Order: sequence, then structure tokens, then C-alpha cells
Amino acid sequence: RKEVEQDPGPFNVPEGATVAFNCTYSNSASQSFFWYRQDCRKEPKLLMSVYSSGNEDGRFTAQLNRASQYISLLIRDSKLSDSATYLCAVARSNDYKLSFGAGTTVTVRA
Amino acid sequence: DAMVIQNPRYQVTQFGKPVTLSCSQTLNHNVMYWYQQKSSQAPKLLFHYYDKDFNNEADTPDNFQSRRPNTSFCFLDIRSPGLGDAAMYLCATSRETGVPEQYFGPGTRLTVT
Repeated sequence: RKEVEQDPGPFNVPEGATVAFNCTYSNSASQSFFWYRQDCRKEPKLLMSVYSSGNEDGRFTAQLNRASQYISLLIRDSKLSDSATYLCAVARSNDYKLSFGAGTTVTVRA
Repeated sequence: DAMVIQNPRYQVTQFGKPVTLSCSQTLNHNVMYWYQQKSSQAPKLLFHYYDKDFNNEADTPDNFQSRRPNTSFCFLDIRSPGLGDAAMYLCATSRETGVPEQYFGPGTRLTVT
């Protein structure tokens, strides 16, 4: 089983819609969680850190469910510019290394 | 702007011809990482430096080596590139151990002919 797994999608949504997707992790000792955004042929860029039960940043909301070992990302009022691949990353408490998922692709259409 | 810089952005090399990719950072971060990312796959950690301490991942082939001559620079050497080494190579930094947020450079896309 992979350490971090994501539904690859693609999630095709119209502008203004809400889209949400999950990321599951296998190591119950994981303590820090992140969402990165990666545009086609570009580098991952940190979107949000998820340290406790979850957090919100504008139209983006991240949730952590430790019991079921997954984190989620919800995008409200989708914009065309939200089209990207969203990578989930998980770090263990005793190790500053990140394990990445392969990403979920979101395409927002006009 | 403080940032992570990678050169070159695109590199073409021949099968078996050594190649060096470079990364520099103005963030003054202690930790530097090298990842390999193939299309539609997760970034795969090759190795990282905490300051001058080198840490190799167990499954990183011997064909891949790294040097960090100072805090700002880190190099990835591929001694004998194979066709399977064609990928995006990403350099990342993080401020300190225990602070896992990583910041990536723009990557070097390596083509092996």
C-alpha cells in the first residue's frame, strides 16, 4: 500500500461549482499535512498547511480526519485559474521528510 | 524575491553521458532536497541535506549523487543517465528540521536521447 493515495480524477467542474477530494495516508504517526498545487510542467507550490483539525483560506478549506486517516480539500466558487493538479503531502512527527501523493487533477470549465 | 533557483530549466543529454543539475536558494534554509518526478506520478525523494549532512534514500540508485558545497548551492549528478532517468528534477528547501513545509524550485526537465 502506498503511503499517500489520491484519486487522480480528473474532476471536471463548471465555474462557480464546489469541488472536494480526499487524500488517504497509511502511517497513523503522521503529524503534519499539506496541500500543494502543481500546474502542468511546473513545480509544486504550497497551498495550505493542515496542522490540526483543519483550516480555511479564502475559497479553500482543508479538513483532517485522523480516525479515518485522510485529509480533504474543498474548493468553493471554482475559478478557471483553479485548474491544476493538487498534491497531498504528509510528514511524520520524527522526520521532516514529506511523502507525496500522485495528485488529483481538477479542471474548471467556463 | 527570496527563492529557489534551478539551472538549467531544460537539459538534454545522451545516454550514458554524465550530467549535473544545479540548485541555489536565497532563503537561507538549512535543508535541501532533490526529487525526481515523472509524468502523473508523485515527486520521489532521492536524497536531502540537513546542513552538510547527506541523507540518501534507500532506493535511490547509485547512479545519482549529490554535492552541497555551501548553504546556498546543491548539485545533482547523474553519472550515467539512462532512458528511464528522463524526468523533472525538483529541488526543494525547508527552513529547519521539525518545520516540514517545503518550497520548490521550478525544476529541470531532463531528456535522455
